[in-house]
Amino acid sequence: AQSVTQLDSQVPVFEEAPVELRCNYSSSVSVYLFWYVQYPNQGLQLLLKYLSGSTLVKGINGFEAEFNKSQTSFHLRKPSVHISDTAEYFCAVSDLTGGGNKLTFGTGTQLKVEL
Amino acid sequence: NAGVTQTPKFQVLKTGQSMTLQCAQDMNHEYMSWYRQDPGMGLRLIHYSVGAGITDQGEVPNGYNVSRSTTEDFPLRLLSAAPSQTSVYFCASSYVGIAGYEQYFGPGTRLTVT
Repeated sequence: AQSVTQLDSQVPVFEEAPVELRCNYSSSVSVYLFWYVQYPNQGLQLLLKYLSGSTLVKGINGFEAEFNKSQTSFHLRKPSVHISDTAEYFCAVSDLTGGGNKLTFGTGTQLKVEL
Repeated sequence: NAGVTQTPKFQVLKTGQSMTLQCAQDMNHEYMSWYRQDPGMGLRLIHYSVGAGITDQGEVPNGYNVSRSTTEDFPLRLLSAAPSQTSVYFCASSYVGIAGYEQYFGPGTRLTVT
């Protein structure tokens, strides 16, 4: 079984400042890692994913994440945030059980971008 | 493409009532799943299906039933609603067997049980 920890429940940041949202996972097998974003009153949308290969993964809206196997982390970063990035961000993992589709989510980080 | 659709968007039930949350997708995805989202708890998997006629339990299946008679539809049934089932419910779908494939989420159903 795997688990995901998002230590920061809320992250306030000023517009145009950089941001990092932290994600750590625990698993006894190799995993696939994802970041999803949820805008208010909407479903979730995939930001980026790591399956294999380069540990630096680029996603939509200027976000990127780095997979660190030794630290079991997959932190999400953006060099300059915009008001429109205000949303809740979920880190998730899956492994090869169930065909690799079953996701385990973290508890989410609310990113609030202020002027 | 409508993607993943869910009905209703909002529902209020009294304790003990039953209802079905509908989910449909038009992307020919084999895999479909139901999650519930509660404040501070993220999304938790209720039930999932890897194809028509095949379903399995997730992390929090108690109080919920599912069936999958077609590729397109995956309804979630609450047999006897309880206040603990007050939550936002999301349906998702993806291709199966392609590990790490993107899951597409519906807009959610907000359920209140009084």
